[in-house]
Amino acid sequence: DVKVTQSSRYLVKRTGEKVFLECVQDMDHENMFWYRQDPGLGLRLIYFSYDVKMKEKGDIPEGYSVSREKKERFSLILESASTNQTSMYLCASSPGGESSPLHFGNGTRLTVT
Amino acid sequence: AQSVTQPDIHITVSEGASLELRCNYSYGATPYLFWYVQSPGQGLQLLLKYFSGDTLVQGIKGFEAEFKRSQSSFNLRKPSVHWSDAAEYFCAVEKLTGGGNKLTFGTGTQLKVEL
Repeated sequence: DVKVTQSSRYLVKRTGEKVFLECVQDMDHENMFWYRQDPGLGLRLIYFSYDVKMKEKGDIPEGYSVSREKKERFSLILESASTNQTSMYLCASSPGGESSPLHFGNGTRLTVT
Repeated sequence: AQSVTQPDIHITVSEGASLELRCNYSYGATPYLFWYVQSPGQGLQLLLKYFSGDTLVQGIKGFEAEFKRSQSSFNLRKPSVHWSDAAEYFCAVEKLTGGGNKLTFGTGTQLKVEL
């Protein structure tokens, strides 16, 4: 079974802090993704990566950056956290190619105060 | 740009009753379509997917979905709902980019099951 592990289940940070959300997958998947989930808005793609050191902006990249130095690890960075970034963050991976399904982690609930 | 609409935010059904969750998509080419389920406190799990061939696809946990190109729909069905099916359900459409596949999700339908 594919395992996607997000390092924190809950995080509380202060406005202006730099925040790192970490995600690790154990199946040698090419693609990795960061989504945020908000009530009534579903899942919105922040960034994705289809190879080491490669990244592409998703639909809502503003205020975020990412890092993928190793294939198994994909980090989401909030350079200066703001209260409107309070959300559930979901990491996912997929092997790549057409119709390959995403495998999700259990999410990190981030609260910015 | 591709998009997905799930018109029902909440649905309540009685245990043992049939279920249909609606999904409409907008996409210029033949779509790859997915249904995912999210149980409380969990990530999303794939229920089923459509990418070609038979328009009626079977998934896990007794779910099925039918692709109807003429209606731009991919509705999820289950003949008899179990209490454990209470969860949030997401429909998604895939777009192939130069670097890989990218999914766009609907806003989700929250299913409540009455005993």
